[in-house]
Amino acid sequence: EAGVAQSPRYKIIEKRQSVAFWCNPISGHATLYWYQQILGQGPKLLIQFQNNGVVDDSQLPKDRFSAERLKGVDSTLKIQPAKLEDSAVYLCASSLNNQPQHFGDGTRLSIL
Amino acid sequence: AQSVTQLDSQVPVFEEAPVELRCNYSSSVSVYLFWYVQYPNQGLQLLLKYLSGSTLVKGINGFEAEFNKSQTSFHLRKPSVHISDTAEYFCAVRASGGAQKLVFGQGTRLTINP
Repeated sequence: EAGVAQSPRYKIIEKRQSVAFWCNPISGHATLYWYQQILGQGPKLLIQFQNNGVVDDSQLPKDRFSAERLKGVDSTLKIQPAKLEDSAVYLCASSLNNQPQHFGDGTRLSIL
Repeated sequence: AQSVTQLDSQVPVFEEAPVELRCNYSSSVSVYLFWYVQYPNQGLQLLLKYLSGSTLVKGINGFEAEFNKSQTSFHLRKPSVHISDTAEYFCAVRASGGAQKLVFGQGTRLTINP
């Protein structure tokens, strides 16, 4: 079974620039999650999708972060404009029918 | 809402020694509990989970954990560690039922010394 795919693995941008991350979940997994993991901390949920609908985006900074999951499969997470405090690893995960989540390897974002 | 406290940010042990990584949680509803491992530059991999039933759960790589409802704990143990167990370990909790989000602890860095 192919795992959760994320790209790019690394991204370096300057503050105030925009950036986008892509996630392809495990085939058939209806639930998709985006997490932010700041260095030295545990992952924090940003947004959760069920198919192409949003279940929970209570911790998503909506003034600069956006996410979509068109057609209920792939998802993109965008930051515009980026701030220094957005430096983190962005993890995508997917799950099937409330089973445990499977994580991708993440995108490491550095803001200069 | 749920919360998780991992009581040790770093745990150094010698190879072949036993180890316990401590995790306490808080919740007003019944929960599911998980331990994940994260190797450098990788995502999180599920070690084990407690959903219901036996309070002692066994996972991959020789790890096990015990759910203690009265002490709201879910400590992770391994009787004999190996160099390859060096990693970051995260305890996580979610409310049972429905599509509930995972809440993670801060993580415990396990370092195995030869």
